[in-house]
Amino acid sequence: AQTVTQSQPEMSVQEAETVTLSCTYDTSESDYYLFWYKQPPSRQMILVIRQEAYKQQNATENRFSVNFQKAAKSFSLKISDSQLGDAAMYFCAYRRFTGNQFYFGTGTSLTVIP
Amino acid sequence: DTGVSQNPRHKITKRGQNVTFRCDPISEHNRLYWYRQTLGQGPEFLTYFQNEAQLEKSRLLSDRFSAERPKGSFSTLEIQRTEQGDSAMYLCASSLSSMNTEAFFGQGTRLTVV
Repeated sequence: AQTVTQSQPEMSVQEAETVTLSCTYDTSESDYYLFWYKQPPSRQMILVIRQEAYKQQNATENRFSVNFQKAAKSFSLKISDSQLGDAAMYFCAYRRFTGNQFYFGTGTSLTVIP
Repeated sequence: DTGVSQNPRHKITKRGQNVTFRCDPISEHNRLYWYRQTLGQGPEFLTYFQNEAQLEKSRLLSDRFSAERPKGSFSTLEIQRTEQGDSAMYLCASSLSSMNTEAFFGQGTRLTVV
């Protein structure tokens, strides 16, 4: 079974600084997808960034980037120039290449300090 | 289309009562998922539909739970004889069936069983 582990229940960052959220996963598959979702206090989850395992290049979306280490099964999220609106729960998620369900970690609560 | 819509947003029910939740996915999405999220945890997969066919069910989905998607559009999730352990946020998500697509989530229905 696939498992996703987020070892940081809470993180904080000063506004305009950079923060990195950690995620590791366990799988025997070689092809899969990884996602970071953001869940603000309103509770609707929003996709932040997506990575295909067969791509060696790390995905980037504006201030958000990932460090994907396939051999280490690690998928961290870096948020640069943190903004107050970045405060939320962040969930790392895994989906098999041909699978249907998403497997989520337990989340990291990010606080942005003005 | 404004995204995935879930109703009601909140539901308080007495133990032993039946409840039904509705999810309206993004109109062109043929995949629909139900997840359950308890406090401090990431979403846990319950079930998945491809069009009107329920293709996958989690072991979390006991006999008291039933989900339908009769015309491949909206879906309902019914919980019979509710128990206090059913108290959770129930999330619906939808996606296209292409391989690398992410899931789009609704705001969820928060169920409290008293």
